[in-house]
Amino acid sequence: DVKVTQSSRYLVKRTGEKVFLECVQDMDHENMFWYRQDPGLGLRLIYFSYDVKMKEKGDIPEGYSVSREKKERFSLILESASTNQTSMYLCASSLDGPGGLFFGSGTQLSVL
Amino acid sequence: KQEVTQIPAALSVPEGENLVLNCSFTDSAIYNLQWFRQDPGKGLTSLLLIQSSQREQTSGRLNASLDKSSGRSTLYIAASQPGDSATYLCAAPPSGGGATNKLIFGTGTLLAVQP
Repeated sequence: DVKVTQSSRYLVKRTGEKVFLECVQDMDHENMFWYRQDPGLGLRLIYFSYDVKMKEKGDIPEGYSVSREKKERFSLILESASTNQTSMYLCASSLDGPGGLFFGSGTQLSVL
Repeated sequence: KQEVTQIPAALSVPEGENLVLNCSFTDSAIYNLQWFRQDPGKGLTSLLLIQSSQREQTSGRLNASLDKSSGRSTLYIAASQPGDSATYLCAAPPSGGGATNKLIFGTGTLLAVQP
């Protein structure tokens, strides 16, 4: 079974802090994704990576950056956390082709 | 631009009832369509993945159908149980691409199965 692991289930940070959210997948997937999920807005794509060191902006990249130095690891970085970044963050991965998308268990981030 | 809509937003049924959840998408040139389940405060679990060449997929009490021509997919749950209570989301690839599985999500149907 595919396993996508997010390092923290819950995280509380202060406004202005630099925040790292980590995601690791164990199935040699080419593609990795970061989504955020907010009530009433659904899942929105923040960033997407299709290969090591390759990234593409999603629908809401402002205030975020990403890093993919190794194929299995995709990090989401909040350079200076703000209260409007309080949300559930979901990491996912996939192969190229028809295999579908696989999610981690999510990180609930609160920025105070 | 691909848009995915799910109706109803919420549904409450008594245990044992068969039910149908609906998903509509605007761009029918899709590569595949995926149904997920999400429990409160948790990540998404993949339920069924239907390829564009297929009309339906089954897993246990779940059956998902795909009608590209009408831009619709349905998730049928047979003999519902309280443990089926969760949010169900469908997702389709964006217009013009799908091989990377960069999906567009509906806002989900919140299902409550009453004992």
